Parts: sequence; C-alpha cells; structure tokens
Amino acid sequence: AQSVTQLGSHVSVSEGALVLLRCNYSSSVPPYLFWYVQYPNQGLQLLLKYTSAATLVKGINGFEAEFKKSETSFHLTKPSAHMSDAAEYFCAVSDLYGGSQGNLIFGKGTKLSVKP
Amino acid sequence: DGGITQSPKYLFRKEGQNVTLSCEQNLNHDAMYWYRQDPGQGLRLIYYSQIVNDFQKGDIAEGYSVSREKKESFPLTVTSAQKNPTAFYLCASSSRRGMGTEAFFGQGTRLTVV
Repeated sequence: AQSVTQLGSHVSVSEGALVLLRCNYSSSVPPYLFWYVQYPNQGLQLLLKYTSAATLVKGINGFEAEFKKSETSFHLTKPSAHMSDAAEYFCAVSDLYGGSQGNLIFGKGTKLSVKP
Repeated sequence: DGGITQSPKYLFRKEGQNVTLSCEQNLNHDAMYWYRQDPGQGLRLIYYSQIVNDFQKGDIAEGYSVSREKKESFPLTVTSAQKNPTAFYLCASSSRRGMGTEAFFGQGTRLTVV
C-alpha cells in the first residue's frame, strides 16, 4: 500500500530562516505527490504537486519541493520564512491500486511555527 | 466564484442524535470525498463518490452515511453509531478520479458532541 511519512510533527524556525519540511513516501512505482497547507480552522490549499515531469517543483508562496527517487523523498523548502507561513503542512500521495486508485493518502502533518 | 461550500461551520450534537453535514460544489467535479481530521492524525477518508448515485467506503466509514443524488452535493450524516464523532470534517472534490489529480477542499465543519 502507498503511504507517506512526515518527519517531525512540529518544526519551529525564525523569520527569514530556511524552511525544510520532510516527507518520505513508500511506493514500488513512481508516485504522484502533493503538498497542501492548512491555516487554523480552514480547509487545505494545494501548494504544489509532482506528476513525473521536472523533479524540482515550484509552488505558490515561494515554496518548492524536490523529488528524489533514490531517497524516496519529497521535502518541502522555502528559502526565507515569513510569519504568514505559520500553518500545518500535509504531504500526500495518490493511491495507485484497486478501487481506491486516485484517492489521496495523507501524512499526519507538520505544524510550522515562525518566531519573530 | 467556483468552490466548495461546507455548512455549518460549527455544529453541536447531543449524544444519540444524527446530524447531517452539507457539502456543495460548483466546480463541475465528478469525484467528491469526506475526510475526518483529528489532532496529530492527519486526514482519514470516510467516504468517496466518483459519480452520481454511487459511493464507496473509505478507511473509517463505520457510523457514517452519505448520499450522492446530485453531482453538486455530497452530504454526510454522522449517526448515533459513531462513538467518537467530535472532529473537524473536510469535504473535497476533484475533476476526475485518477492518479495525479489534486483535490480541492471546503472550509470544514467542526462537530462537537455536548
């Protein structure tokens, strides 16, 4: 079965510092991967997605992610954190098998705090 | 504006009552989904639907029911059989079911049992 693991349930950075949120996937074939952001008491918004084109994917709000097959990773980065980046971030993978093919499988999320 | 509308935003339920959460989309999407979110557990799939009059159980369907009588609407009923219904519920839709297709989310309904 497909799965994603997000390392670190909480990450704290200073404003202006690099943001790195980790996601590792489990898949025997090339996956389709997504990053979503959720602000408090709101729904999820798509940041970016990887669908086997370029391995470096650029998203909204200055975020990007790099697909590394050798490491089975899809980490999310942003060069300089802003206070407005404080939110919860979810990594997801498309289910590849059976009747649930195409459904998104989510990681448990990483809460990002940004200190002034 | 196209999007997904969930209502109400907050809902309180007495023990033993059924409640229905509304989800409407005007994106002309074929597929719709219901997720449950609990702190530290990510999103878990309750039910999904590919087309009108068809739906499938997700990972945690027990104690929930859905209907899909119209393309735009996918209401979720939380029944009295759901032992721990307090959670944040998210509805989503996608243009089609298929690998690489992203889902669009509503703003969520927070259900509390009182």
